[in-house]
Amino acid sequence: EPEVTQTPSHQVTQMGQEVILRCVPISNHLYFYWYRQILGQKVEFLVSFYNNEISEKSEIFDDQFSVERPDGSNFTLKIRSTKLEDSAMYFCASRARGEQYFGPGTRLTVT
Amino acid sequence: QKEVEQNSGPLSVPEGAIASLNCTYSDRGSQSFFWYRQYSGKSPELIMSIYSNGDKEDGRFTAQLNKASQYVSLLIRDSQPSDSATYLCAVNWENNAGNMLTFGGGTRLMVKP
Repeated sequence: EPEVTQTPSHQVTQMGQEVILRCVPISNHLYFYWYRQILGQKVEFLVSFYNNEISEKSEIFDDQFSVERPDGSNFTLKIRSTKLEDSAMYFCASRARGEQYFGPGTRLTVT
Repeated sequence: QKEVEQNSGPLSVPEGAIASLNCTYSDRGSQSFFWYRQYSGKSPELIMSIYSNGDKEDGRFTAQLNKASQYVSLLIRDSQPSDSATYLCAVNWENNAGNMLTFGGGTRLMVKP
């Protein structure tokens, strides 16, 4: 069964550094998403992406964040100048019709 | 502000019993409803989707939707210890270009052998 994959599984970075989180969505899906979950809190929407452009973004997704689909398979989330409060699990999801399928997540730890 | 509310639990049921998980949402302009299961430290795993009023059954799981009451529930029959997890309710609202999901905080289910 096709799955969303994400790399790395765990990323440790120092405050102020840039990180890139990578995702490979399910191959025939056209809609891609990033969510995050701070430990003990709700899953929060960050951004949705369709047809090589952002279709919607939340208030969290400010100028510090960017997304890109650099080739036909990868979907990336870049976080510039990381802050302590960016520490969270970051989930990529993809969708064909109504249902979104989540990847295993990247645990980002900012020290 | 669109909100999705769930009782955080824990909901404790004995093995073999029916577990009933509930979710309410704030806005009538909602379109699609989803139940995800999340084991500790893992990602959300889709269990059920429901789009219209009534019941939808899939194996041991039944989702129930009542749009007039802004209420969606998940029943798990013959609960097993492996069902112990946090169950997340998620809603996709109409006029939502990106089809983003808004999640509730989840209900922790504990199934005791």
